Amino acid sequence: AQKVTQAQTEISVVEKEDVTLDCVYETRDTTYYLFWYKQPPSGELVFLIRRNSFDEQNEISGRYSWNFQKSTSSFNFTITASQVVDSAVYFCALSDVDQGAQKLVFGQGTRLTINP
Amino acid sequence: NAGVTQTPKFQVLKTGQSMTLQCAQDMNHEYMSWYRQDPGMGLRLIHYSVGAGITDQGEVPNGYNVSRSTTEDFPLRLLSAAPSQTSVYFCASSPWTSGNTIYFGEGSWLTVV
Repeated sequence: AQKVTQAQTEISVVEKEDVTLDCVYETRDTTYYLFWYKQPPSGELVFLIRRNSFDEQNEISGRYSWNFQKSTSSFNFTITASQVVDSAVYFCALSDVDQGAQKLVFGQGTRLTINP
Repeated sequence: NAGVTQTPKFQVLKTGQSMTLQCAQDMNHEYMSWYRQDPGMGLRLIHYSVGAGITDQGEVPNGYNVSRSTTEDFPLRLLSAAPSQTSVYFCASSPWTSGNTIYFGEGSWLTVV
């Protein structure tokens, strides 16, 4: 069965520090997709990134970067020069594709607090 | 851009009452689903649908019913609310092809007393 583990329940850093959120996943599928979502205090889920299992290139989007390593089944998320607005709960998720239905398996989430 | 719209946003129910959480999307997505979010557990799939007239169970379906009579709407029914169903509910939709972005509604906060 698919599983996603975010071992860091809470992280607190001072503004401008770099911070990495860990995500480790388990799946028997050879084709799968990994996602990161942000949940700010207002409660909505904001899509950040999608990565398929055949694309191990790291991705950078502004201050955000993602490191996908199939060898260690990890998809880690780094925020560089963190800002108070980055404070949120971050979820890593794995797409379980069942006959075309895209079902997400979520990690427990990491609550990130950026202190001014 | 409406995207995925959920109503109501907040609801308090008494144990044993029934209610329906509404979900509508205007993106012509085939795939729709419902998740619940509980503290420390991330989001878990309740039910999903790959098209009108087709629904299936997710990880935690007990106590919930769904139907999909149109592409746009995917209501979630609580038949007899229990305190264990106190949670935040999210509806989601996506095109029915693997790896597409899944769009979430803003969530519905439900408290059962």
